[in-house]
Amino acid sequence: GAVVSQHPSRVICKSGTSVKIECRSLDFQATTMFWYRQFPKQSLMLMATSNEGSKATYEQGVEKDKFLINHASLTLSTLTVTSAHPEDSSFYICSASSPLLAVGQTQYFGPGTRLLVL
Amino acid sequence: GENVEQHPSTLSVQEGDSAVIKCTYSDSASNYFPWYKQELGKRPQLIIDIRSNVGEKKDQRIAVTLNKTAKHFSLHITETQPEDSAVYFCAASTRGGSNYKLTFGKGTLLTVNP
Repeated sequence: GAVVSQHPSRVICKSGTSVKIECRSLDFQATTMFWYRQFPKQSLMLMATSNEGSKATYEQGVEKDKFLINHASLTLSTLTVTSAHPEDSSFYICSASSPLLAVGQTQYFGPGTRLLVL
Repeated sequence: GENVEQHPSTLSVQEGDSAVIKCTYSDSASNYFPWYKQELGKRPQLIIDIRSNVGEKKDQRIAVTLNKTAKHFSLHITETQPEDSAVYFCAASTRGGSNYKLTFGKGTLLTVNP
């Protein structure tokens, strides 16, 4: 149980284009989803937290107009990287949690999306 | 905000030996401490967790201890195997607004040599 999928697994795009990444909870309803960014050999850095039907809460230093997050349903959240530049290249990972699971604070992670901006 | 320190950054052990990874946290309001294992290019996977009202938890070869007074918690892996090789992250959960969020340590690269 508590499976999270993410699509696409990798994407290469040209500088200036926008990229959308989807995060889905497959077997539970995720009231809260999180988006992280991970650089090589580094830890996970929280970008934003989103609750279904509400605006996302962004961490300090994360540009909300650049990283658009939509959590339209209890099983789907999307992250759109707008006007991507090479410095946006990274591993983006989502996670999901639900108060209905055994431990409501536990986050279950998606497989990640590797973004390369040329 | 919460700050989580993790040590060591790298750890190399012989197969069959034990491995210990230690973390400290700063926010006494943190109440949940998961440990994740991440293999190269893969997702972090929850391997064990502990709540703040428990001092120790064990699951087969893996155990976690928590000292709330000192604000530190540790991961213990016994009888290590090559497949235990990965990056391990500790985390502390703190309430931020209406949600709980995790603050991660910087990770420990564990290498188990056959």
